[in-house]
Amino acid sequence: KAGVTQTPRYLIKTRGQQVTLSCSPISGHRSVSWYQQTPGQGLQFLFEYFSETQRNKGNFPGRFSGRQFSNSRSEMNVSTLELGDSALYLCASSSGAASYEQYFGPGTRLTVT
Amino acid sequence: AQTVTQSQPEMSVQEAETVTLSCTYDTSESNYYLFWYKQPPSRQMILVIRQEAYKQQNATENRFSVNFQKAAKSFSLKISDSQLGDTAMYFCAFISLSLIQGAQKLVFGQGTRLTINP
Repeated sequence: KAGVTQTPRYLIKTRGQQVTLSCSPISGHRSVSWYQQTPGQGLQFLFEYFSETQRNKGNFPGRFSGRQFSNSRSEMNVSTLELGDSALYLCASSSGAASYEQYFGPGTRLTVT
Repeated sequence: AQTVTQSQPEMSVQEAETVTLSCTYDTSESNYYLFWYKQPPSRQMILVIRQEAYKQQNATENRFSVNFQKAAKSFSLKISDSQLGDTAMYFCAFISLSLIQGAQKLVFGQGTRLTINP
């Protein structure tokens, strides 16, 4: 079974721009979660989608948004980029069943200049 | 709010030695899962082992085992016969089962950087 894939792997943007990151979960998985990883703040939860519905959201400003499509693929959007948004963005998928195990993609490295 | 604390920012051992990474957590929930994830230099986060809070038996996966002390809220990872490929950041993570049913939010510790020396 193919793992979680994320595109693009690397991205460089300038302040004020917006960006869209994509995540394709493991086949059959219906839950997709997004995390931001920075050296200072560590790993922080952004949001989680299940069957196209956002079920949980972390403490991030409204500039961070996401959605999930009927095929469980998910996108994350960040508008009006700030220098502090530079981070590794990780996507994780889960079957949504009782195991609660999350499997991570390779991440998208976003650099804001 | 749940918190996860890893008190060892860095550790270093020789190949073939046994190493134990510490993790403590704080929660008022009674049903939850605990995980150890490994993040090598490639940055790919890999699930190493999981422990269900309702299980008293400690989880084991080949060379990896945990010491789960629920009352003390402690969840350490033991790596036996360490190998060069074990070099990575190790994150302890917690997920509560008492959120909106099915909602899944992992809370991570700050990580322990483990180096296995030849």
